[in-house]
Amino acid sequence: DADVTQTPRNRITKTGKRIMLECSQTKGHDRMYWYRQDPGLGLRLIYYSFDVKDINKGEISDGYSVSRQAQAKFSLSLESAIPNQTALYFCATSDLGQGGRETQYFGPGTRLLVL
Amino acid sequence: GQNIDQPTEMTATEGAIVQINCTYQTSGFNGLFWYQQHAGEAPTFLSYNVLDGLEEKGRFSSFLSRSKGYSYLLLKELQMKDSASYLCAVRESNTDKLIFGTGTRLQVFP
Repeated sequence: DADVTQTPRNRITKTGKRIMLECSQTKGHDRMYWYRQDPGLGLRLIYYSFDVKDINKGEISDGYSVSRQAQAKFSLSLESAIPNQTALYFCATSDLGQGGRETQYFGPGTRLLVL
Repeated sequence: GQNIDQPTEMTATEGAIVQINCTYQTSGFNGLFWYQQHAGEAPTFLSYNVLDGLEEKGRFSSFLSRSKGYSYLLLKELQMKDSASYLCAVRESNTDKLIFGTGTRLQVFP
């Protein structure tokens, strides 16, 4: 079983619709992240959470919201989807390791198309 | 400001050696990561450097110079399966966030 799962894997929606992308992890990590990836722009951080009571905005949080329902679950919502939110979305988890080494583990991604 | 630069594309021949460079300017530094990402798949961790010098792991090595804001990923004995994008990422010391470069797409030819 995968350690980091994302649902749905693919989604097509219309402008103005509200949608939720879900992420679950079985790694027992405290830290979770949402990124979007666009061609030529790399991975950009949307929101991150260092524990259940901690939510922080990333560099491109406008138009998005998140919910950390439990240590294992971190959901990303688009309140009113717009076409430029068409992208590949990744969830990631991490835990501080020895010597501050923190490796992020990525989910398989959700491909979102907003028409 | 934050800036991570790496070449957009590189090509190499099977069996050869390739070096992918990364330069960075970030708000504080607490480690540099390299990730590999095959098309349509999730990034996977390759290496981590926090001190100056070379870290070797099999066919892959990563080098860091903090004073120069510079790192490289060295891939030896290239195989066709090494065709992928390679992402350089720096962890900011004040926020613990990872800042990613745009990635270098490597194509390995027979």
